[in-house]
Amino acid sequence: DAGVIQSPRHEVTEMGQEVTLRCKPISGHDYLFWYRQTMMRGLELLIYFNNNVPIDDSGMPEDRFSAKMPNASFSTLKIQPSEPRDSAVYFCASSPRGAGVTGELFFGEGSRLTVL
Amino acid sequence: SQKIEQNSEALNIQEGKTATLTCNYTNYSPAYLQWYRQDPGRGPVFLLLIRENEKEKRKERLKVTFDTTLKQSLFHITASQPADSATYLCALRGGTGRRALTFGSGTRLQVQP
Repeated sequence: DAGVIQSPRHEVTEMGQEVTLRCKPISGHDYLFWYRQTMMRGLELLIYFNNNVPIDDSGMPEDRFSAKMPNASFSTLKIQPSEPRDSAVYFCASSPRGAGVTGELFFGEGSRLTVL
Repeated sequence: SQKIEQNSEALNIQEGKTATLTCNYTNYSPAYLQWYRQDPGRGPVFLLLIRENEKEKRKERLKVTFDTTLKQSLFHITASQPADSATYLCALRGGTGRRALTFGSGTRLQVQP
């Protein structure tokens, strides 16, 4: 299996621009998570999906952030408009069917976002 | 408030020694706890899960203990190697009704040859 695939690996953009991060979870995994990692705040949960349905989005910082999962093999995290404080590494992770929302997480390699 | 605390200072040890990392938590009642390894520029990788009714769990050179009275987990790497150098994160099920994992900030381990 190829593992969780994220794109782009690196994104540099200017304040005010729209940013879209993409994730392909491991086939057969029922749960998909978006985390953000910074030096100051560590790894923070933004949102997670179960069977393509958003379950908990209480970690999404504000209305500028949105996430979708149109099918079992694809999810996006969009920031519009982006701000310098959004600079971070964004990780997507998935969890196997039967493991439940608190089972082992399989992380992608992350998308490093820099907003100038 | 709920907290997961790991030593933010890097742990430096000599090759062959045992590394011990600590994870303390406050205002959680976790049924289990997980440990992950993260290398620079990479995503975290799952290592071990220990349940509240398990005092100790081992996997090769790794050993994890879980003391729900002290609200603490210890993560040991025996016969450490330079390849063990990485950041190690502990994770608990999120509190206040959140079901997903909440991570500690991690401890960086540096094993000197």
